[in-house]
Amino acid sequence: KNQVEQSPQSLIILEGKNCTLQCNYTVSPFSNLRWYKQDTGRGPVSLTIMTFSENTKSNGRYTATLDADTKQSSLHITASQLSDSASYICVVSTIRETDKLIFGTGTRLQVFP
Amino acid sequence: DVKVTQSSRYLVKRTGEKVFLECVQDMDHENMFWYRQDPGLGLRLIYFSYDVKMKEKGDIPEGYSVSREKKERFSLILESASTNQTSMYLCASSGQGVSNQPQHFGDGTRLSIL
Repeated sequence: KNQVEQSPQSLIILEGKNCTLQCNYTVSPFSNLRWYKQDTGRGPVSLTIMTFSENTKSNGRYTATLDADTKQSSLHITASQLSDSASYICVVSTIRETDKLIFGTGTRLQVFP
Repeated sequence: DVKVTQSSRYLVKRTGEKVFLECVQDMDHENMFWYRQDPGLGLRLIYFSYDVKMKEKGDIPEGYSVSREKKERFSLILESASTNQTSMYLCASSGQGVSNQPQHFGDGTRLSIL
């Protein structure tokens, strides 16, 4: 069964600190992996999209990594800011149905001053 | 920037009512999607559409229907609302033909069925 699992479920860090969120997937055949940020009461916003051949991709202070062999991805946030408080959702698509995305349940990040 | 607009942020309806959720996108995208989001569950696909008048069932279509009469507008219909359809509903759109295009989401409609 195609699944996406994220850890931890929730995380609290202090402003200025770094953190790493994890994503494991069992989706096959793999097409791409996406990270979305969802602020409370808003829709998800795309941060990165990575294909099989990409190991790392950055978007400002957000850096995503992908290990297609172990089917793991991580999202690293550098020098966290209060505005980083949000849910971060890992999403995977298959080659067969690239628009039918498989969503993780998200990691809820809270950044405190 | 792509803008996906959902007509209502909050909606309260009664059991048995027919409910319409509207979504409009301004980027001439071919693909449009309806999801629901519940605590502890990932987003689940209800219906999607690749073109005008086209619709495809997602993973949880029961109790829902959709309409796409114009390219920019995709409507979700709850034929006879039930309490288990209380949820956050998210609409999304994406361009055609490129598998790595992101889906752009609206800000959601929080629907309560009493």
